[in-house]
This record gives sequence, C-alpha cells and structure tokens, in this order.
Amino acid sequence: QVQLVQSGAEVKKPGSSVKVSCKASGGTFNSYPISWVRQAPGQGLEWMGGIIPMFHIVNYAQNFQGRVTITADESTSTAYMELSSLRSEDTAVYYCAREARIAAVGSSPLGHWGQGTLVTVSS
Amino acid sequence: QSALTQPASVSGSPGQSITISCTGTSSDVGGFNYVSWYQQHPGKAPKLMIYDVSDRPSGVSNRFSGSKSGNTASLTISEVQAEDEADYYCSSYRGSSTLGFGGGTKLTVL
Repeated sequence: QVQLVQSGAEVKKPGSSVKVSCKASGGTFNSYPISWVRQAPGQGLEWMGGIIPMFHIVNYAQNFQGRVTITADESTSTAYMELSSLRSEDTAVYYCAREARIAAVGSSPLGHWGQGTLVTVSS
Repeated sequence: QSALTQPASVSGSPGQSITISCTGTSSDVGGFNYVSWYQQHPGKAPKLMIYDVSDRPSGVSNRFSGSKSGNTASLTISEVQAEDEADYYCSSYRGSSTLGFGGGTKLTVL
C-alpha cells in the first residue's frame, strides 16, 4: 500500500523560503509522477507542479514559475517542494500526491495523497 | 490559467441523486479523457472518486459515476447519503504536462 508522509507544519516570514518533503513507501517511487497541490484556508485545490523522479522531468504551473522548485531524491524515495519569496497569500496546506500511471505529469489521477503540510506565512 | 468552473454548492435529500458539473474548454476537459473527481471532507486530504471521466477506483461506491459531453464533465451521486456531504473537486489534464482543478462544490445533504 502506497503511503506518502510529509514533513511537519512550518511558520515562515514574508520573503523567506520553505521546503516541504514527501517520503514515499510501499510502492515504486521512481517511475510515477509526484504532484504538489496546495489549498489556502477555505479555498480550493491548486496544482503547483510535478516531477517524474526517475527522469527528473519537472513541470510547473504557470502561476508558480520562477518561485517553486520541485525535486526528488530516488535514494530516499522523497520528493521536495521549495517555494521562495513567500507572502501571506502563500499560507496554505501543501499536499503531495502520487499519480496512478507511469505517464506524463498531470495526465493520470492522483491516487495517493500525503497528509498535508500547513505552511503559515506571517511577520 | 483559469480554474475549471463548478457550481459553488449543490444539495439533496437522502436517497436523491445529485449531479455536479465541471466546465472547461477544448484545451482541457473537451480535449482529453483525463477528468478526475475528488472528495474532500473537512480537515482531510482529497480522495480520488472517479478517474478517466467515468472509471471508479476499487473501493469507491458504485453510487458515484462520471460522464462527459463536450467541454463539460459531470459527477453524479445516486442515492445520496449523509456521509457523502463533502467538497468535490474536478480536475483535468491540460496538455504539456499540466493539470487544472475546478473551484470545488460543497455538497450539502439535507
């Protein structure tokens, strides 16, 4: 059974960066895309980008280009999402999710989700 | 890019059927059969309910079904139950390895 376990809650100052981790277990990590999705308080889901760990192929949503960096460490089956130049509007729960097929990022369903990581941006 | 368009809320009485729509464009919903639906209860991570427009993951009740016509996808829940009360999100592949979500629909069971 695939499990994704994310790092703990973070409190950050405006202008700083945050790096959230997502460790996978119970399945094949390298071939399946991992996507990052965020949800601001009381708001909907927003796709940020994704990575195919084996090939280090990364794709980002236009809204986050230049501010987000998604990486993966195959040796530890862990994906990372780093968001820079944080502002208050970035306060949200950040989820990682594994796609269900070995295919292009975003083209298959998000079958397994992490528990979410709350990032609070406040001065 | 804009979010896919969903109604903000729908409601139904136990035992009734409800349908949630998800409207996109020919570049996403209309152009690919990669529409998924997710259920999210308060404080929980989303759960996949429908994928590839109309397929159901194992373990999901057959009361949940999906369809698509043109640029609009739909999620139908038959015989609505109290436990179905949640937020529902559609998503669609948008090409070039990008994904879009709908704004979400709150289902209230009366």
